[in-house]
Amino acid sequence: GAVVSQHPSRVICKSGTSVKIECRSLDFQATTMFWYRQFPKQSLMLMATSNEGSKATYEQGVEKDKFLINHASLTLSTLTVTSAHPEDSSFYICSATRANTEAFFGQGTRLTVV
Amino acid sequence: DAKTTQPTSMDCAEGRAANLPCNHSTISGNEYVYWYRQIHSQGPQYIIHGLKNNETNEMASLIITEDRKSSTLILPHATLRDTAVYYCIVGEGNDMRFGAGTRLTVKP
Repeated sequence: GAVVSQHPSRVICKSGTSVKIECRSLDFQATTMFWYRQFPKQSLMLMATSNEGSKATYEQGVEKDKFLINHASLTLSTLTVTSAHPEDSSFYICSATRANTEAFFGQGTRLTVV
Repeated sequence: DAKTTQPTSMDCAEGRAANLPCNHSTISGNEYVYWYRQIHSQGPQYIIHGLKNNETNEMASLIITEDRKSSTLILPHATLRDTAVYYCIVGEGNDMRFGAGTRLTVKP
Protein backbone atom coordinates (compact mmCIF):
# COMPACT_ATOMS: atom_id res chain seq x y z
CA GLY A 1 0.00 0.00 0.00
CA ALA A 2 0.90 3.66 -0.19
CA VAL A 3 3.15 5.18 2.46
CA VAL A 4 2.26 8.15 4.63
CA SER A 5 4.91 9.43 6.98
CA GLN A 6 4.28 11.55 10.04
CA HIS A 7 6.88 13.49 11.99
CA PRO A 8 7.61 13.65 14.83
CA SER A 9 6.29 10.42 16.27
CA ARG A 10 6.47 11.79 19.78
CA VAL A 11 6.80 15.32 21.17
CA ILE A 12 6.71 16.90 24.59
CA CYS A 13 6.20 20.64 24.82
CA LYS A 14 5.62 23.23 27.48
CA SER A 15 2.22 24.73 28.02
CA GLY A 16 1.74 27.86 25.93
CA THR A 17 4.12 26.88 23.15
CA SER A 18 3.22 25.77 19.62
CA VAL A 19 3.96 22.43 18.02
CA LYS A 20 4.06 21.56 14.33
CA ILE A 21 3.34 18.07 13.03
CA GLU A 22 4.15 17.10 9.44
CA CYS A 23 2.35 14.59 7.27
CA ARG A 24 3.89 13.45 3.99
CA SER A 25 2.66 11.10 1.31
CA LEU A 26 5.89 9.48 0.17
CA ASP A 27 4.96 7.63 -3.00
CA PHE A 28 1.82 9.29 -4.29
CA GLN A 29 0.27 12.70 -4.70
CA ALA A 30 -2.50 13.18 -2.19
CA THR A 31 -5.43 15.23 -3.35
CA THR A 32 -6.77 15.37 0.17
CA MET A 33 -5.30 14.96 3.61
CA PHE A 34 -7.12 14.50 6.89
CA TRP A 35 -6.22 15.11 10.50
CA TYR A 36 -7.55 13.07 13.40
CA ARG A 37 -7.21 13.14 17.15
CA GLN A 38 -7.46 10.12 19.41
CA PHE A 39 -7.75 10.21 23.18
CA PRO A 40 -6.88 7.12 25.27
CA LYS A 41 -9.31 4.23 24.89
CA GLN A 42 -11.36 6.18 22.34
CA SER A 43 -11.77 6.01 18.60
CA LEU A 44 -10.29 8.40 16.07
CA MET A 45 -12.10 11.70 15.72
CA LEU A 46 -11.86 13.61 12.45
CA MET A 47 -10.64 17.15 13.07
CA ALA A 48 -10.28 18.63 9.60
CA THR A 49 -9.99 17.98 5.90
CA SER A 50 -7.42 19.77 3.80
CA ASN A 51 -7.05 20.05 0.05
CA GLU A 52 -3.86 21.26 -1.53
CA GLY A 53 -3.89 24.99 -2.07
CA SER A 54 -7.13 25.72 -0.27
CA LYS A 55 -8.27 26.36 3.27
CA ALA A 56 -8.95 23.41 5.51
CA THR A 57 -12.47 22.44 6.42
CA TYR A 58 -12.85 21.91 10.16
CA GLU A 59 -15.29 19.62 11.90
CA GLN A 60 -17.79 21.13 14.27
CA GLY A 61 -16.25 21.95 17.62
CA VAL A 62 -12.65 22.08 16.36
CA GLU A 63 -11.07 25.51 16.76
CA LYS A 64 -9.45 26.53 13.50
CA ASP A 65 -7.36 29.23 15.15
CA LYS A 66 -5.91 26.70 17.56
CA PHE A 67 -5.27 23.91 15.08
CA LEU A 68 -3.68 25.53 12.04
CA ILE A 69 -3.52 23.36 8.97
CA ASN A 70 -1.40 24.10 5.93
CA HIS A 71 -1.49 21.96 2.81
CA ALA A 72 1.08 23.63 0.61
CA SER A 73 1.76 20.76 -1.77
CA LEU A 74 0.29 17.47 -2.93
CA THR A 75 2.65 15.57 -0.66
CA LEU A 76 2.77 17.66 2.52
CA SER A 77 0.29 18.87 5.11
CA THR A 78 1.14 20.34 8.48
CA LEU A 79 -0.86 20.69 11.67
CA THR A 80 0.23 23.32 14.15
CA VAL A 81 -1.19 23.18 17.65
CA THR A 82 -0.93 26.76 18.85
CA SER A 83 -0.63 27.79 22.48
CA ALA A 84 -0.83 24.17 23.54
CA HIS A 85 -2.32 23.24 26.89
CA PRO A 86 -2.36 19.94 28.77
CA GLU A 87 -5.86 19.15 27.50
CA ASP A 88 -4.42 19.15 23.95
CA SER A 89 -2.30 16.14 24.87
CA SER A 90 -3.43 13.41 22.53
CA PHE A 91 -2.50 11.11 19.67
CA TYR A 92 -2.70 13.03 16.37
CA ILE A 93 -2.97 11.04 13.15
CA CYS A 94 -3.03 12.13 9.52
CA SER A 95 -4.26 10.31 6.46
CA ALA A 96 -3.95 10.93 2.76
CA THR A 97 -5.92 9.82 -0.26
CA ARG A 98 -5.85 10.04 -3.99
CA ALA A 99 -9.17 10.87 -5.58
CA ASN A 100 -11.93 8.82 -3.92
CA THR A 101 -9.80 5.84 -3.01
CA GLU A 102 -8.89 4.25 0.28
CA ALA A 103 -7.07 6.43 2.80
CA PHE A 104 -3.60 5.64 4.08
CA PHE A 105 -2.62 6.69 7.55
CA GLY A 106 0.53 7.97 9.14
CA GLN A 107 1.98 6.32 12.20
CA GLY A 108 0.66 9.05 14.49
CA THR A 109 2.21 11.68 16.75
CA ARG A 110 1.86 11.48 20.48
CA LEU A 111 1.76 15.00 21.89
CA THR A 112 2.27 15.58 25.58
CA VAL A 113 1.88 19.11 26.91
CA VAL A 114 3.43 19.70 30.32
CA ASP B 1 -21.49 9.78 13.57
CA ALA B 2 -20.40 6.39 12.30
CA LYS B 3 -22.86 4.54 10.11
CA THR B 4 -21.80 1.10 11.26
CA THR B 5 -22.43 -1.21 14.19
CA GLN B 6 -19.80 -3.68 15.35
CA PRO B 7 -19.46 -5.91 18.40
CA THR B 8 -17.32 -4.32 21.09
CA SER B 9 -14.95 -7.24 21.43
CA MET B 10 -14.22 -10.73 20.15
CA ASP B 11 -11.77 -13.49 20.92
CA CYS B 12 -10.24 -15.92 18.47
CA ALA B 13 -7.91 -18.86 18.86
CA GLU B 14 -4.56 -18.61 17.12
CA GLY B 15 -4.60 -20.40 13.77
CA ARG B 16 -8.37 -20.29 13.45
CA ALA B 17 -10.38 -18.00 11.22
CA ALA B 18 -11.53 -14.73 12.73
CA ASN B 19 -14.90 -13.54 11.43
CA LEU B 20 -15.70 -9.94 12.27
CA PRO B 21 -19.25 -8.77 11.51
CA CYS B 22 -20.40 -5.27 10.67
CA ASN B 23 -23.89 -3.88 10.18
CA HIS B 24 -24.39 -0.93 7.87
CA SER B 25 -28.10 -0.92 7.15
CA THR B 26 -28.19 2.70 5.93
CA ILE B 27 -25.44 2.31 3.34
CA SER B 28 -26.18 4.13 0.11
CA GLY B 29 -25.60 2.86 -3.40
CA ASN B 30 -22.28 4.54 -4.06
CA GLU B 31 -20.73 3.95 -0.65
CA TYR B 32 -17.97 1.44 -0.17
CA VAL B 33 -17.28 -0.74 2.86
CA TYR B 34 -13.75 -0.24 4.20
CA TRP B 35 -11.92 -2.16 6.88
CA TYR B 36 -8.98 -0.84 8.86
CA ARG B 37 -7.24 -2.05 11.97
CA GLN B 38 -5.28 -0.26 14.63
CA ILE B 39 -2.64 -1.90 16.70
CA HIS B 40 -1.92 -0.13 19.96
CA SER B 41 -0.32 3.32 19.57
CA GLN B 42 -0.05 3.09 15.80
CA GLY B 43 -1.94 4.66 12.92
CA PRO B 44 -4.75 2.63 11.33
CA GLN B 45 -3.71 0.09 8.72
CA TYR B 46 -5.80 -0.40 5.59
CA ILE B 47 -7.02 -3.98 5.18
CA ILE B 48 -9.55 -4.22 2.38
CA HIS B 49 -12.58 -2.56 0.83
CA GLY B 50 -15.46 -3.46 -1.45
CA LEU B 51 -18.62 -2.16 -3.04
CA LYS B 52 -20.86 -5.10 -3.89
CA ASN B 53 -18.74 -8.12 -4.67
CA ASN B 54 -16.76 -10.17 -2.22
CA GLU B 55 -13.10 -9.25 -2.15
CA THR B 56 -9.95 -11.06 -1.15
CA ASN B 57 -6.37 -9.92 -0.77
CA GLU B 58 -3.27 -11.17 0.99
CA MET B 59 -4.54 -10.01 4.36
CA ALA B 60 -8.22 -10.88 4.45
CA SER B 61 -11.50 -11.58 2.72
CA LEU B 62 -14.52 -9.33 2.72
CA ILE B 63 -17.98 -10.80 2.37
CA ILE B 64 -20.77 -8.33 1.63
CA THR B 65 -24.39 -9.46 1.76
CA GLU B 66 -26.48 -9.10 -1.34
CA ASP B 67 -28.54 -6.27 0.15
CA ARG B 68 -25.26 -4.64 1.29
CA LYS B 69 -26.62 -4.04 4.76
CA SER B 70 -23.94 -6.05 6.46
CA SER B 71 -20.51 -7.47 5.85
CA THR B 72 -17.96 -9.80 7.42
CA LEU B 73 -14.21 -9.46 7.49
CA ILE B 74 -12.45 -12.80 7.56
CA LEU B 75 -8.88 -13.31 8.70
CA PRO B 76 -8.35 -16.90 7.53
CA HIS B 77 -5.60 -17.93 9.95
CA ALA B 78 -5.38 -15.51 12.83
CA THR B 79 -2.04 -14.95 14.52
CA LEU B 80 -1.18 -13.19 17.76
CA ARG B 81 -0.09 -10.18 15.72
CA ASP B 82 -3.64 -9.78 14.45
CA THR B 83 -4.71 -8.61 17.92
CA ALA B 84 -6.01 -5.08 17.26
CA VAL B 85 -9.08 -2.89 17.05
CA TYR B 86 -10.84 -3.47 13.73
CA TYR B 87 -12.89 -0.68 12.21
CA CYS B 88 -15.60 -1.08 9.61
CA ILE B 89 -16.32 2.18 7.78
CA VAL B 90 -18.75 3.02 5.00
CA GLY B 91 -18.23 5.97 2.72
CA GLU B 92 -17.45 7.17 -0.75
CA GLY B 93 -13.73 7.31 -0.14
CA ASN B 94 -11.70 10.15 1.24
CA ASP B 95 -12.79 10.97 4.78
CA MET B 96 -12.97 7.94 7.00
CA ARG B 97 -15.22 8.42 10.04
CA PHE B 98 -14.49 5.90 12.72
CA GLY B 99 -16.88 4.19 15.05
CA ALA B 100 -15.82 2.31 18.16
CA GLY B 101 -14.65 -0.77 16.27
CA THR B 102 -14.20 -4.35 17.48
CA ARG B 103 -11.32 -5.24 19.74
CA LEU B 104 -10.11 -8.62 18.48
CA THR B 105 -7.93 -10.62 20.83
CA VAL B 106 -6.16 -13.62 19.36
CA LYS B 107 -5.29 -16.11 22.05
CA PRO B 108 -2.64 -18.85 21.97
